[in-house]
Amino acid sequence: SQTIHQWPATLVQPVGSPLSLECTVEGTSNPNLYWYRQAAGRGLQLLFYSVGIGQISSEVPQNLSASRPQDRQFILSSKKLLLSDSGFYLCAWKRGHDEQYFGPGTRLTVT
Amino acid sequence: AQSVAQPEDQVNVAEGNPLTVKCTYSVSGNPYLFWYVQYPNRGLQFLLKYITGDNLVKGSYGFEAEFNKSQTSFHLKKPSALVSDSALYFCAVRPSGNTPLVFGKGTRLSVIA
Repeated sequence: SQTIHQWPATLVQPVGSPLSLECTVEGTSNPNLYWYRQAAGRGLQLLFYSVGIGQISSEVPQNLSASRPQDRQFILSSKKLLLSDSGFYLCAWKRGHDEQYFGPGTRLTVT
Repeated sequence: AQSVAQPEDQVNVAEGNPLTVKCTYSVSGNPYLFWYVQYPNRGLQFLLKYITGDNLVKGSYGFEAEFNKSQTSFHLKKPSALVSDSALYFCAVRPSGNTPLVFGKGTRLSVIA
């Protein structure tokens, strides 16, 4: 069966510090991968998605970047965090035309 | 452009009563429609989907949804609500093709004992 992992689960970082969030998927190959941000426990904002290694589509220009160094690994990064980067970050995967499956999320607080 | 609307921010229902969470969509072409549930500080869990076929779709935890093409709706329903159903519910749509899901803003369901 397929599983998706995210780490860390929670993170508190000062403004101006770098960020690296990692997402990995097990039990499938060549998945589509997605990063979402959720603010204040409500709507989801699609940040990036990837249909293959090294292929990244950015949905919203901002202080973040994404990379996919391996087939089942998706990394969200920032060089300098802003207060507005605080939120709940969710990674998801999909194979073909099926539904998306979400990871457990990372709660980021920028102080 | 494709979009999803969840017109209610909050739905309150008494335990044991039927519940409905509303969703309408706007897409070109045939839509793929989905419902997800999110519990506090957790990722979204897939409940059910409509791709084609029977307009009434059954999913996890006793939930079902009815696809209505003429009204462009995909409302989530359950005959008898449980307190444990209290959560945030998201409707999502994807036009035919390999594109990311478009999510609604979410509806918070509160089931009162």
